[in-house]
Order: sequence, then structure tokens, then C-alpha cells
Amino acid sequence: AQKITQTQPGMFVQEKEAVTLDCTYDTSDQSYGLFWYKQPSSGEMIFLIYQGSYDEQNATEGRYSLNFQKARKSANLVISASQLGDSAMYFCAMREGGRYNQGGKLIFGQGTELSVKP
Amino acid sequence: GAVVSQHPSRVICKSGTSVKIECRSLDFQATTMFWYRQFPKQSLMLMATSNEGSKATYEQGVEKDKFLINHASLTLSTLTVTSAHPEDSSFYICSASRQGAVRLGPSGGSTQYFGPGTRLTVL
Repeated sequence: AQKITQTQPGMFVQEKEAVTLDCTYDTSDQSYGLFWYKQPSSGEMIFLIYQGSYDEQNATEGRYSLNFQKARKSANLVISASQLGDSAMYFCAMREGGRYNQGGKLIFGQGTELSVKP
Repeated sequence: GAVVSQHPSRVICKSGTSVKIECRSLDFQATTMFWYRQFPKQSLMLMATSNEGSKATYEQGVEKDKFLINHASLTLSTLTVTSAHPEDSSFYICSASRQGAVRLGPSGGSTQYFGPGTRLTVL
């Protein structure tokens, strides 16, 4: 069975500094996708970044990058140049199956609450 | 980008009543919709997978008679919480998968689009 683990319940970072949010996963599938979502206090789920298990390069989306270490089964999110608006809950999620398995369900980690200090 | 709406955004009801939550994909057809439940400061827990025209698939531990799911069309899925009790108070979020292949950028993309959520309070 697939499992996602986020071991940091809460993190603090100074504005303009970089922060890494940890995520490890477990799956027996060879083909899977890893996602990071941001959830502000309003509750909406905002997609940040995606990494496919066969993608050779780490994914990047603006200030977000994913440090994908397949052998270690980790998919850490790096946020560069933190902003006050980055304060939110961050969830790592996994979907088994390839990139076109759109019907596959997402399994979420426990989440990390990030607080950016001015 | 794809838009998913949920209605109502917030509902307060008395114990014993039933509450219906609607999830609509506004600009695409969704063959599959998912319903999640989230308690404060906790993760999203998948409740069920809803496919258009067929019965929903419930996750282990989720009472199908308690949480009725109907996916009547490619743009609408509903979750009905029957005989609601205070312990059913939670944040309910739906997501929808776009039908057909999605053109993904170099970094891939999210093929599940989330609704804004519905906060249910049962008194």
C-alpha cells in the first residue's frame, strides 16, 4: 500500500530565506506521481509542483523546486526567497500510475504548517 | 485553468438532518470526482471515488449509507451526509479529473482540480 510521510508538523522561516519541507513515500509501483499542494487558511488546495517517477530532472516551478531522490524515496519541496504569503499548510501527495493516469486517487501526507516571519 | 465549484461553501444544520453538497466542474467534463474530508490541522482523507454513471467506490471505514454519493453527469457530483451528527462536522473537499489526455508542461501538472471546500457544522 502506498504511504506518504511528512515528519515536520510545523516549520518557521525568515522572510527571503529558503526552506525545505520534507516528504518521504512508499509504494510498490514503478510508475507514480508526486505532488505538492499549498492550503492557506481559506481552505483551497493550490497545486504547486509535480514530479513523475520517470522524470530524470527535478521539477521546478518558479520559486518552488522538488528535490527528488528516488532511491531514498523522498520528494522534498524547496521554497526559495520565502514571502509572507507563503505561510500556509503544505501537503505532499502521491498518485500511483503514470502521468496520464488521471483517474488515480491522491494519497496525502500529514502536512507541514509553514510560518514565514517578517 | 480548470475550475471546480462547490456549493454551499458553508452550512450549519441541526443534528439529524441531511445535507447535500454539490461539486461541479465548470469548464471541463470530469469522468472521475473524488471526495475528501479534512479535520482541523489534519490531512485530507479520501472518502470515495465517484465515476459518472456508476456507483461510487468508498474507502475502507467510510459508511456508504451515511455518505451518499451521486455522479449524475460529467460535470456534477453530489455528496449527501444523511442524518448528520456533530461528529460529521468537518471540511469536505471535492476534486475532479479532466476527461481525456491533458497536455502537461515540462514539469507535468495536476490533473486533479480541487473545489474550494464546504465547511459543515452540525449542532
